[in-house]
Amino acid sequence: AQKITQTQPGMFVQEKEAVTLDCTYDTSDPSYGLFWYKQPSSGEMIFLIYQGSYDQQNATEGRYSLNFQKARKSANLVISASQLGDSAMYFCAMREIYNFNKFYFGSGTKLNVKP
Amino acid sequence: GAGVSQSPSNKVTEKGKDVELRCDPISGHTALYWYRQSLGQGLEFLIYFQGNSAPDKSGLPSDRFSAERTGGSVSTLTIQRTQQEDSAVYLCASSLATGQMNTEAFFGQGTRLTVV
Repeated sequence: AQKITQTQPGMFVQEKEAVTLDCTYDTSDPSYGLFWYKQPSSGEMIFLIYQGSYDQQNATEGRYSLNFQKARKSANLVISASQLGDSAMYFCAMREIYNFNKFYFGSGTKLNVKP
Repeated sequence: GAGVSQSPSNKVTEKGKDVELRCDPISGHTALYWYRQSLGQGLEFLIYFQGNSAPDKSGLPSDRFSAERTGGSVSTLTIQRTQQEDSAVYLCASSLATGQMNTEAFFGQGTRLTVV
């Protein structure tokens, strides 16, 4: 089974609107961490936000927030007030406590922000 | 340098030739990762280094792939007898080995390898 599943290959959003990028994960480890990265066309991976499996509250970083639903094993990224510069690939990733040194990545979602 | 540096940024090679890809991690980062990203795909784990040792080589796709790290710093990924299916972007990342779950990996801009 895939460790990380991102079911939206591509998304469009109007500038200034909010958008949710889906991510589900599969693990049986008691502790794990979830990460979101942005990859602009330049190719570099930029870390956006982190959610720990034991964190009681959803993570937020500026316009980014993570909708963490542990029972559903989902960790969706919410971008509020989209900007043209948000157009990029977005990857969800996970590391597990029993396989700590490996980050598992999803296949990504390409977000296009329309003016 | 301030970030993870990879060279070359682009490499075109003929099928059957050997190539070396270089990664210079952030100073002080003892953990180093290599990933491969094929066109439109996610990141495929290749190998992980802690210092100079590679406790996890599970992602190397064949014995044509090898990697080493010297001085706990620069790493080289070598692909021997390249094949067309090796064409991809090879990403290197490094991180502090804090043992903390929330320690993120910092990525370089990748080497785009094209085998013709």
